[in-house]
Amino acid sequence: AQSVTQLGSHVSVSEGALVLLRCNYSSSVPPYLFWYVQYPNQGLQLLLKYTTGATLVKGINGFEAEFKKSETSFHLTKPSAHMSDAAEYFCAVSGMNTGFQKLVFGTGTRLLVSP
Amino acid sequence: DVKVTQSSRYLVKRTGEKVFLECVQDMDHENMFWYRQDPGLGLRLIYFSYDVKMKEKGDIPEGYSVSREKKERFSLILESASTNQTSMYLCASRGFGGLNTGELFFGEGSRLTVL
Repeated sequence: AQSVTQLGSHVSVSEGALVLLRCNYSSSVPPYLFWYVQYPNQGLQLLLKYTTGATLVKGINGFEAEFKKSETSFHLTKPSAHMSDAAEYFCAVSGMNTGFQKLVFGTGTRLLVSP
Repeated sequence: DVKVTQSSRYLVKRTGEKVFLECVQDMDHENMFWYRQDPGLGLRLIYFSYDVKMKEKGDIPEGYSVSREKKERFSLILESASTNQTSMYLCASRGFGGLNTGELFFGEGSRLTVL
């Protein structure tokens, strides 16, 4: 079984500051890990994903995340926040296993960016 | 552009009414999903479908049913709406080639209010 914990329901940063959104997972099998973003009044869209291979994954809009197996973490970062990054971010996990696997989402972190 | 379309963005219904939420995808995807999104709870899986006429319960199926008569269409049904079903409902699809690593494509959501 898989589960996801996102630390902090709200994160506030100033424009130009580092963005760090935390995600820890639990999985009984090797995980696939995802970050999705949801802008106001829209559905979710994929930012980036880790499947296998390189543990540092780059996504859209300058975001990246690093898979750390020893820490069971997949934190999302961006060096310099823009106002347009204000949104809700969801971490998700599914299992590296044969057969159908459901995607399990965290409770989300709302990123607030101030001028 | 790939597209998942949810027929109604906003609905207001009365307690006891039967409610249909429709979702159509144009990507020839095998897998389709219905999630419910509530503040502080993230996304919770209601039902999913492997393929046409196939359906499986997710984590919170009580009070809901689904129908998948055609590959492109996945309907969520509330047989007798209750106030605790007031929520945002998100439909998503995924191609079988992606299986557990593939991106979920989301619709823009249907915000249901039950009075």
